[in-house]
Amino acid sequence: TQLLEQSPQFLSIQEGENLTVYCNSSSVFSSLQWYRQEPGEGPVLLVTVVTGGEVKKLKRLTFQFGDARKDSSLHITAAQPGDTGLYLCAGAAGFQKLVFGTGTRLLVSP
Amino acid sequence: GAVVSQHPSWVICKSGTSVKIECRSLDFQATTMFWYRQFPKQSLMLMATSNEGSKATYEQGVEKDKFLINHASLTLSTLTVTSAHPEDSSFYICSARRGADSAAFFGQGTRLTVV
Repeated sequence: TQLLEQSPQFLSIQEGENLTVYCNSSSVFSSLQWYRQEPGEGPVLLVTVVTGGEVKKLKRLTFQFGDARKDSSLHITAAQPGDTGLYLCAGAAGFQKLVFGTGTRLLVSP
Repeated sequence: GAVVSQHPSWVICKSGTSVKIECRSLDFQATTMFWYRQFPKQSLMLMATSNEGSKATYEQGVEKDKFLINHASLTLSTLTVTSAHPEDSSFYICSARRGADSAAFFGQGTRLTVV
């Protein structure tokens, strides 16, 4: 069974702080996605990374795919209350189902 | 971007009745759709993979006769919770992928409450 462990599970910070969320697995994935989910809604895709070592930036969010395509990180610079939510990584192995990470709940206080 | 629509957004039903949830891909064809269940403050748990024109593939521990999945067309999959009980109350989410290695796009979810 493929597993994706996210850390930390929960993070509570003040507005303006930086943070990094990690997504680790012992399995290799052909691509990895990051999603953000707000209460009562479905996850919304933030980014897809495909190439080992790839770095993608989305405004204040920086995503990196590990060289071996087994892990990924999400770094948020100068967090804002609007960043609050559940962050999920998900790995894809071909056309098979997506394997979801355990999730990181982020709370950014004003 | 790809749009996946799920209906209804919420439903309350009596114990013993059945509830059908629809998942539609609005602007692309989805050979495969996925159904998830999510408990409060937890990640998504895959229930089954829905394949157009064939039987769904269920994850271990998911009752096939209780959670009926039908994927009648390339844009529609349905999940029917049969003989619902209070323990079936949960947040159900569907997703669809446009192709191999593509990201999944999710519906807005359905909050099911069984009373």
